[in-house]
Amino acid sequence: AQKITQTQPGMFVQEKEAVTLDCTYDTSDPSYGLFWYKQPSSGEMIFLIYQGSYDQQNATEGRYSLNFQKARKSANLVISASQLGDSAMYFCAMREGDKIIFGKGTRLHILP
Amino acid sequence: EPEVTQTPSHQVTQMGQEVILRCVPISNHLYFYWYRQILGQKVEFLVSFYNNEISEKSEIFDDQFSVERPDGSNFTLKIRSTKLEDSAMYFCASSAPSGIYNEQFFGPGTRLTVL
Repeated sequence: AQKITQTQPGMFVQEKEAVTLDCTYDTSDPSYGLFWYKQPSSGEMIFLIYQGSYDQQNATEGRYSLNFQKARKSANLVISASQLGDSAMYFCAMREGDKIIFGKGTRLHILP
Repeated sequence: EPEVTQTPSHQVTQMGQEVILRCVPISNHLYFYWYRQILGQKVEFLVSFYNNEISEKSEIFDDQFSVERPDGSNFTLKIRSTKLEDSAMYFCASSAPSGIYNEQFFGPGTRLTVL
C-alpha cells in the first residue's frame, strides 16, 4: 500500500498565483515527520520544508507553507506568489524508521 | 553552508562492469543513506548506514550492492556487476543524530547509465 499519495501528476499555474500541491500519507506511528522536496530539471533534491507530527503550528519557510491536517492525514504544500523558477518536480515524503519514503511527485509548470 | 557532494556527476558503464559511486557527507553527520531514482519515477530508498554498518536496507539492495565508509569522509556505493536496470540517478544523503525530526540532506546525485 502506498504510504505517500500525490494525486496530481502535473499542474499548470500562472506566475504570481498561489499553488497548492496535494499530499496524503498513511502511517500508524503516532510520531512521524513529513517533508517536501523540490527537484528541478538539473536533478538535485532540494529540501523545502518539514512538519513534525506533534508540531502545533503549520510549518512555514519563506514562500512555502505546509497545510497540515493531521486528522485527514494530509500535508499539502502551498507556494505563494509563484515564480518561473518554481517550475520543477515536487515530492512529498515521510520519515519511516531510518529511511524517507517518497511519493510519486507532482510536476509543476509555472506559466509566464 | 555545508553540503553533501557526490562524484562523478555522470557515469557511463558497460553491463557487467563494477561501478563505485562516491559521496562525501556533511562532516558532523553520523547517518548516511543511498537512494535511487529511475528516470521518471519516484525516489526509492536503498540503504542506511550508521556506525560502520548497515542499519536498514530495501529489497532493491541485493548482493550486487555494497556500501562502505573507507575513511572518515567518504561513503561509497558499489555495484558489482551492473545491469541495464541499474541505470538511474543515485542520491547520497546524510543526517545528524537520527530521529523523526532530523532531515536528510541530499547530494546532487550521480547519473548512472548502463549500456
